[in-house]
Amino acid sequence: AQSVTQLDSHVSVSEGTPVLLRCNYSSSYSPSLFWYVQHPNKGLQLLLKYTSAATLVKGINGFEAEFKKSETSFHLTKPSAHMSDAAEYFCVVSPPRVGGNEKLTFGTGTRLTIIP
Amino acid sequence: SQTIHQWPATLVQPVGSPLSLECTVEGTSNPNLYWYRQAAGRGLQLLFYSVGIGQISSEVPQNLSASRPQDRQFILSSKKLLLSDSGFYLCAWRITNSGNTIYFGEGSWLTVV
Repeated sequence: AQSVTQLDSHVSVSEGTPVLLRCNYSSSYSPSLFWYVQHPNKGLQLLLKYTSAATLVKGINGFEAEFKKSETSFHLTKPSAHMSDAAEYFCVVSPPRVGGNEKLTFGTGTRLTIIP
Repeated sequence: SQTIHQWPATLVQPVGSPLSLECTVEGTSNPNLYWYRQAAGRGLQLLFYSVGIGQISSEVPQNLSASRPQDRQFILSSKKLLLSDSGFYLCAWRITNSGNTIYFGEGSWLTVV
């Protein structure tokens, strides 16, 4: 069984300040973890993924996330927010193997607002 | 490189009318294909997935159906739409031999009136 919790439904930061979007997971195995970004009326774009390699994962647009097994967390961070980062962000957990019917579990999303 | 196309991008349909949303993937073979729905203010709900031609698994009982007539084509249908079918529908794909990353189309906005 697996689950994912995004601790904040809405985060507001000023442009140029750090971003922290929190994600905790629960899994009975070593999961794969993903962060996706969704801009208004668009599909989901992969930001980064963790698949049991390095625990600090770097993604696109300056985002990174650190897998912390002891804390069952996979928080998304960015040192300096840009106006274009305003979007909805989804944390996703998946079983590590792919055979066709592995279920991805999506968090409920965090809406990031950037204050000029 | 692989691409995914989904259409129409927006659709306004009256209650009781039929629905057909189409999705095609290019640049890959034998992908797993998925239909998700995202209702306003809510997360993503998996509706259907397919591991091959003609193979459809339904996750949520409802008045929607899916079909996969070709390897890289996935169609979401309904014979009679309900108001509750309104939402943002996303097609997605992944291939089994390159990890379990899933890639999404641009989505289709359906408003049932």
